[in-house]
Amino acid sequence: DAGVTQSPTHLIKTRGQQVTLRCSPKSGHDTVSWYQQALGQGPQFIFQYYEEEERQRGNFPDRFSGHQFPNYSSELNVNALLLGDSALYLCASSALETSGETQYFGPGTRLLVL
Amino acid sequence: QKEVEQDPGPLSVPEGAIVSLNCTYSNSAFQYFMWYRQYSRKGPELLMYTYSSGNKEDGRFTAQVDKSSKYISLFIRDSQPSDSATYLCAMAYDYKLSFGAGTTVTVRA
Repeated sequence: DAGVTQSPTHLIKTRGQQVTLRCSPKSGHDTVSWYQQALGQGPQFIFQYYEEEERQRGNFPDRFSGHQFPNYSSELNVNALLLGDSALYLCASSALETSGETQYFGPGTRLLVL
Repeated sequence: QKEVEQDPGPLSVPEGAIVSLNCTYSNSAFQYFMWYRQYSRKGPELLMYTYSSGNKEDGRFTAQVDKSSKYISLFIRDSQPSDSATYLCAMAYDYKLSFGAGTTVTVRA
């Protein structure tokens, strides 16, 4: 089992640009959640996808959008990047019925906005 | 006020000591309580989860939940240098996790 994989591992963008991050969940998982972790902080929930639809959303602006594909993989898109978007972006996968207690995280994508 | 508050640390302990980590929360709707370990520049790794008040033990780790006080703890016995990491408490409501800010622990050999 490859576990949760994310790509790319690192990314450097400039303000105003757009970025797409990718996530493949663990085998057998159908739910993908995205989190933003600023330096020295805990992860903050962005949104969750299940059955190719956004099931829940945290307190993030519409510049953050996502997608889930039929194979359960997911993308996170961020438009009009701001300096404050620099962070580690984490993807977590789970089976929906156990998403409350067992979400498994990938290694993250470290985004730097200049 | 944040939903989840975690003792900020950092903590530095000698090898073999007991490490005690604590979080408080304000949302009574939280259903599950988790502890994650995060090594530098890595994703969080799930250590333990529980959903009821009381203690849950797994090897050298004990998770404690007191719902009446809205307080959770993690104890690490016989700490090892490999336990040096940032520990994150997390709580779940409706499949969404809310995290504390993390406590960085260093175990000195």
